Amino acid sequence: AQRVTQPEKLLSVFKGAPVELKCNYSYSGSPELFWYVQYSRQRLQLLLRHISRESIKGFTADLNKGETSFHLKKPFAQEEDSAMYYCALSNTGGFKTIFGAGTRLFVKA
Amino acid sequence: KAGVTQTPRYLIKTRGQQVTLSCSPISGHRSVSWYQQTPGQGLQFLFEYFSETQRNKGNFPGRFSGRQFSNSRSEMNVSTLELGDSALYLCASSLRTGNANYGYTFGSGTRLTVV
Repeated sequence: AQRVTQPEKLLSVFKGAPVELKCNYSYSGSPELFWYVQYSRQRLQLLLRHISRESIKGFTADLNKGETSFHLKKPFAQEEDSAMYYCALSNTGGFKTIFGAGTRLFVKA
Repeated sequence: KAGVTQTPRYLIKTRGQQVTLSCSPISGHRSVSWYQQTPGQGLQFLFEYFSETQRNKGNFPGRFSGRQFSNSRSEMNVSTLELGDSALYLCASSLRTGNANYGYTFGSGTRLTVV
């Protein structure tokens, strides 16, 4: 079965501080992992996919198969990063994507 | 290009009624997924359609159904509505080639209230 766990409901950091949003998953096959973000009054949108290994808005995420984790990191948080972040796992073949409960990031001035 | 369009934006229905929600994906996207979002349960997967076929389904009762048309537009239907069906229903479309998953583009949702 697929499962995604985001242990923190709320994460509060100061502007300029590093931020790490945790995501752990459970899946017996070869997973595809994603981070989605929802800014205030906007649609849920794709932030990044593990397979593309890109950095978007300064965020990166590395898939650690040994620890079954896909944590989202940014070295210096900005106020505009305040949003709801969801980790998502897609099964092999990709026709079912499940989401974690989400972490609300609040970046304080 | 136009994004994912969901209609209607808001609906109020009475218990026992049925409802149909519509989703138009991004042009060229052949995969459409549906999610139910509630404060208590978060985003719950309902089903995913690709090339007019349901490819996977979540753990929802048979009252929840869907379909996809040849132009990739999708509808979902909920029959015999219950109070607990009140939620934001999100549609997402995806470009797929083979088994590759490029991630979703979401619509703004349909807010269903059952009274």
